[in-house]
Amino acid sequence: DQQVKQNSPSLSVQEGRISILNCDYTNSMFDYFLWYKKYPAEGPTFLISISSIKDKNEDGRFTVFLNKSAKHLSLHIVPSQPGDSAVYFCAASEDGTYKYIFGTGTRLKVLA
Amino acid sequence: EAGVTQFPSHSVIEKGQTVTLRCDPISGHDNLYWYRRVMGKEIKFLLHFVKESKQDESGMPNNRFLAERTGGTYSTLKVQPAELEDSGVYFCASSQDGHSTGRYSPLHFGNGTRLTVT
Repeated sequence: DQQVKQNSPSLSVQEGRISILNCDYTNSMFDYFLWYKKYPAEGPTFLISISSIKDKNEDGRFTVFLNKSAKHLSLHIVPSQPGDSAVYFCAASEDGTYKYIFGTGTRLKVLA
Repeated sequence: EAGVTQFPSHSVIEKGQTVTLRCDPISGHDNLYWYRRVMGKEIKFLLHFVKESKQDESGMPNNRFLAERTGGTYSTLKVQPAELEDSGVYFCASSQDGHSTGRYSPLHFGNGTRLTVT
């Protein structure tokens, strides 16, 4: 059973608008969450992370929100740019380990 | 700083054959990980080395998979004999920090090896 779920396989957004990618998890022991971006034929690249003691972390155009009670996190990209078009993976880990549990990814397409 | 490098980038083999994948982590990174993505699904953990020791191999699918990291530098992942369901992209990642440091730093991934078993 998947512990980290990304229910939207794809998302299209107009350039300049906000992109919101969602992720749900089931394991309440997860204490660290990350977003990775992946371009074709490349490995995942770290984007932003958040620990369970916070509910928001911001880095430039990227903001991650964590709602522990709902076991939900989201990634906001504002404003979206064509170069943001990629597959975005949500990942979680428990007790500070690097045994990341990944979601299946959401393919974001930013339209110029 | 050179990133995590993996070789080969692609491999096509027949069922029953043997394949060895190689990973060179970022210099100085004691922690090395193997992950796999099968058929566009989630990226799944296979195992974790700390230097030359296997810290966690709970994600290894079966005994047809053998990972080694002699000398604590590069690592190899051998699949013998390969089966059709082994097809996928195998990612290697490394990190300097580990669980014991209590510090969170993200994993650095290589570009992966795409394995196709026919």
